[in-house]
Amino acid sequence: GQSLEQPSEVTAVEGAIVQINCTYQTSGFYGLSWYQQHDGGAPTFLSYNGLDGLEETGRFSSFLSRSDSYGYLLLQELQMKDSASYFCASHSGYSTLTFGKGTMLLVSP
Amino acid sequence: NAGVTQTPKFRVLKTGQSMTLLCAQDMNHEYMYWYRQDPGMGLRLIHYSVGEGTTAKGEVPDGYNVSRLKKQNFLLGLESAAPSQTSVYFCASSPPTGVSYNEQFFGPGTRLTVL
Repeated sequence: GQSLEQPSEVTAVEGAIVQINCTYQTSGFYGLSWYQQHDGGAPTFLSYNGLDGLEETGRFSSFLSRSDSYGYLLLQELQMKDSASYFCASHSGYSTLTFGKGTMLLVSP
Repeated sequence: NAGVTQTPKFRVLKTGQSMTLLCAQDMNHEYMYWYRQDPGMGLRLIHYSVGEGTTAKGEVPDGYNVSRLKKQNFLLGLESAAPSQTSVYFCASSPPTGVSYNEQFFGPGTRLTVL
């Protein structure tokens, strides 16, 4: 089977840095993605890690360690608009994704 | 480009009724997916398609059927709706594996309530 674990909720203040962790147990794993979802709207793609290491896209970075079955999403210079749910998702054949249950990030002033 | 669109946006059904959800994409993507999302849960894959005329089961396929007669459309059918199928349904599409960072593009969702 496939399973991903991530914290259900994280809180932080504007301007801070927050890290959302994700551990996975999946077969046929070949990559980890992160998606953002505001208020039940359409999930939107943030980043993808196919190899070990850090990928940086503006204020967001994502990390993958295959040996530890672990990844994280790092959000820097938090803004109020970053309040949303964040999902890690593992990739297997035909780009099918298995999603974690999501982490709700609450950013306060 | 409209991206991924879903019809309808909202629907209320009675137990036992049937309906079809329509997903359309104008990005010429090969792969299309149907997910459901329930409170406190991530998205769970119902069915997917890797090309016109092909479909495959995902994690939670029971009670649903799909068809991909045209590359741009992916239909999800509920033959006899049950209250357990009350959910938000998302459609997504993506280019083939290895292209564009395997990004999936999601539609706005269909909120379905089965009474």
